[in-house]
Amino acid sequence: DTAVSQTPKYLVTQMGNDKSIKCEQNLGHDTMYWYKQDSKKFLKIMFSYNNKELIINETVPNRFSPKSPDKAHLNLHINSLELGDSAVYFCASSLGSEDTQYFGPGTRLTVL
Amino acid sequence: AQSVTQPDIHITVSEGASLELRCNYSYGATPYLFWYVQSPGQGLQLLLKYFSGDTLVQGIKGFEAEFKRSQSSFNLRKPSVHWSDAAEYFCAVGDPNTGTASKLTFGTGTRLQVTL
Repeated sequence: DTAVSQTPKYLVTQMGNDKSIKCEQNLGHDTMYWYKQDSKKFLKIMFSYNNKELIINETVPNRFSPKSPDKAHLNLHINSLELGDSAVYFCASSLGSEDTQYFGPGTRLTVL
Repeated sequence: AQSVTQPDIHITVSEGASLELRCNYSYGATPYLFWYVQSPGQGLQLLLKYFSGDTLVQGIKGFEAEFKRSQSSFNLRKPSVHWSDAAEYFCAVGDPNTGTASKLTFGTGTRLQVTL
């Protein structure tokens, strides 16, 4: 009965590789988000999609590309991974853009 | 620029003692306000939120928070802390420019340690 799920939970990879993180929500929400939490626990929004349409796109390198195949999924693809991309990435969802956000368990990405 | 400040990086309290975690924000208008808790290795769980109305908000796990417009604060309180409350606590603010909760700005977090 997981509400917001992410895969994988841990991801270790080499610099320069391309990787994807998947997010799924079974709450029937219309809006989904990606956040990055750095080593100092600082959380910052990266992207937000509402009904598969991009509504928030913060200052994020072009190497990061979100993809929303349907309302229940928002995947994050990262090209040419760099050391500074190491972080915990959280997916979240909300019923609408004005509603409370519910977070997934996070994906810890380590770039070597 | 809008910001959220949690002045206490780390707080230690004894089990059974009262708790207050501070949160201040800088915005022109009244934003939407949230407190989230993050247990080790876990995602964020919503404790409570304030959108409008009564400035004293009750949340889950016995937590409450009070919005004080004059002080631009939204401090989190609990009268009696339990060992299971040990976690990282984040204050967050919804973007007032759009009047929505969608673009959250988070504080840097306060780590709560509970001693037995």
